[in-house]
Amino acid sequence: GDSVTQMEGPVTLSEEAFLTINCTYTATGYPSLFWYVQYPGEGLQLLLKATKADDKGSNKGFEATYRKETTSFHLEKGSVQVSDSAVYFCALSGFSSGSARQLTFGSGTQLTVLP
Amino acid sequence: NAGVMQNPRHLVRRRGQEARLRCSPMKGHSHVYWYRQLPEEGLKFMVYLQKENIIDESGMPKERFSAEFPKEGPSILRIQQVVRGDSAAYFCASSPGGGSSYNEQFFGPGTRLTVL
Repeated sequence: GDSVTQMEGPVTLSEEAFLTINCTYTATGYPSLFWYVQYPGEGLQLLLKATKADDKGSNKGFEATYRKETTSFHLEKGSVQVSDSAVYFCALSGFSSGSARQLTFGSGTQLTVLP
Repeated sequence: NAGVMQNPRHLVRRRGQEARLRCSPMKGHSHVYWYRQLPEEGLKFMVYLQKENIIDESGMPKERFSAEFPKEGPSILRIQQVVRGDSAAYFCASSPGGGSSYNEQFFGPGTRLTVL
């Protein structure tokens, strides 16, 4: 079945540092790929997405490129802020189980940014 | 434009009681998904519903768990005879559905269930 492997956390960075969170996936066909962010006590918010190979998703300074050859969708940001502290989830949406569009999530990476 | 609503936000039950979690999708959305997040883990898919239909329940435990999405009213996730292992955050998501091969899912704030 589909699976997502995400970089283990927690990750602690100083403000303005460069961020990379690795994500690789296993899926049949051509899944859509997502990064979600979860702030403390809240639900998940979609951060960015890519629906086909070589697409680059971007939002709020975060970027990720859908690499089919390496089955990866690594999240990057050039200069993190304290307000970026949250848990980040990589996810994919495939077409397993017939027409269902369930999301398959990685285990999440806790990011803490220190001032 | 209200987002996905879930209630209660926190629910405490004793072992053997029933837990009933509610989810109101975004306006205009006809597809609902339930996910469970165990402590220190990612979210795991449970069930996918459209109005009055269960489309995919491959992630639901075989016993004690059920879900519905009636023609009127919220979607309900029901857990009978709860056990300590059911303690988790339960998230609902909704999407508009339709013919697109991709439909973004919008998540609610979750219900945190604690079983004593």
